[in-house]
Amino acid sequence: AQSVTQPDIHITVSEGASLELRCNYSYGATPYLFWYVQSPGQGLQLLLKYFSGDTLVQGIKGFEAEFKRSQSSFNLRKPSVHWSDAAEYFCAVGAAATGNQFYFGTGTSLTVIP
Amino acid sequence: GAGVSQSPSNKVTEKGKDVELRCDPISGHTALYWYRQSLGQGLEFLIYFQGNSAPDKSGLPSDRFSAERTGGSVSTLTIQRTQQEDSAVYLCASSFSGRSTYEQYFGPGTRLTVT
Repeated sequence: AQSVTQPDIHITVSEGASLELRCNYSYGATPYLFWYVQSPGQGLQLLLKYFSGDTLVQGIKGFEAEFKRSQSSFNLRKPSVHWSDAAEYFCAVGAAATGNQFYFGTGTSLTVIP
Repeated sequence: GAGVSQSPSNKVTEKGKDVELRCDPISGHTALYWYRQSLGQGLEFLIYFQGNSAPDKSGLPSDRFSAERTGGSVSTLTIQRTQQEDSAVYLCASSFSGRSTYEQYFGPGTRLTVT
């Protein structure tokens, strides 16, 4: 069965430090992979997506993610975190074979300290 | 332009009552999704609409849950005889069809509390 695992429930980083949020997925075929961010009281916003091609994808707000098939991972990175990046981050996997159904991870809560 | 809107933003109801949650998708989006987000959990897929039809109802947790979409636009999620375990944030998302179906735009959610 398809699933998404975000092993880190909560991460705290200092402003200006680098960030990596982990995401592992389980899916039999090539997945479509996504990262969403949810700020307090806000809806989910798409940060970036991977369908095919270049395994390093760039997103909004200076985020990037790398698809590693051998590790079944799609980790999100940012070289220098800003206080406004504090939010909940969700990794998701979907594919046409799943009938447009998305599978979301349980999320990683990011705290940024000054 | 306007994003996905949901109403009400908050709903408190007594156990056993029925509730209706509304979603207004982005104009022109043919696909519409409902998810449930419980405290400390990820998003749980409930149902997907393509136009007015729902090819995938597999996520509805019980027969107390139903959804409809009319005119290819507004959707209503109905929960009958609410239970305390139904308390959650219900999120709606919409998108265009095809490969871009996966670029879903989310509403702010309806927080449902069953007392």
